Amino acid sequence: DTAVSQTPKYLVTQMGNDKSIKCEQNLGHDTMYWYKQDSKKFLKIMFSYNNKELIINETVPNRFSPKSPDKAHLNLHINSLELGDSAVYFCASSPATRDTQYFGPGTRLTVL
Amino acid sequence: GENVEQHPSTLSVQEGDSAVIKCTYSDSASNYFPWYKQELGKGPQLIIDIRSNVGEKKDQRIAVTLNKTAKHFSLHITETQPEDSAVYFCAASIFGNQFYFGTGTSLTVIP
Repeated sequence: DTAVSQTPKYLVTQMGNDKSIKCEQNLGHDTMYWYKQDSKKFLKIMFSYNNKELIINETVPNRFSPKSPDKAHLNLHINSLELGDSAVYFCASSPATRDTQYFGPGTRLTVL
Repeated sequence: GENVEQHPSTLSVQEGDSAVIKCTYSDSASNYFPWYKQELGKGPQLIIDIRSNVGEKKDQRIAVTLNKTAKHFSLHITETQPEDSAVYFCAASIFGNQFYFGTGTSLTVIP
């Protein structure tokens, strides 16, 4: 019954490593998003995909690369991880770009 | 772009009292305003939303008001309960194309 799921829930890694976070939604939604929530709880959008096409790409380092193999999945790959990448990353989906969003449980990334 | 401000950042109320969280936005084109509740260790969950053609919406103990002229909207929780304790986020959007979130309000309901 999970609507938006993310794996892993926790990710601890060393600086300089490359890691991926996976997101899947079983709601049949057309649009998926990635958000970053910092230690002060501030939510900032990173990317948005509609039917596998990138529609929003906020100012994030090009070390972050989203990949959408199909409209039910939006994965986030991060190269050369830095300390400042430590945060909670949320995936979300919405039925269309004109509607509200449903969030996943988050992935807490810690870069040592 | 849109700028959403949210106040207060923290709020403590006694169980049974009301809680009010306020947000302002800058872009008059914004027309959709959802509110999210984020419990510890979980993702934000939509609790109520309002569109710009409506001034007020209510769902049991939760209500949202919108003043388009002043560009502000508020969340009202009545008869607060300990399980209402969480971080609440407002957001503003133009036709759902881009969501701008407030900075969050940490609500504590004291039993």
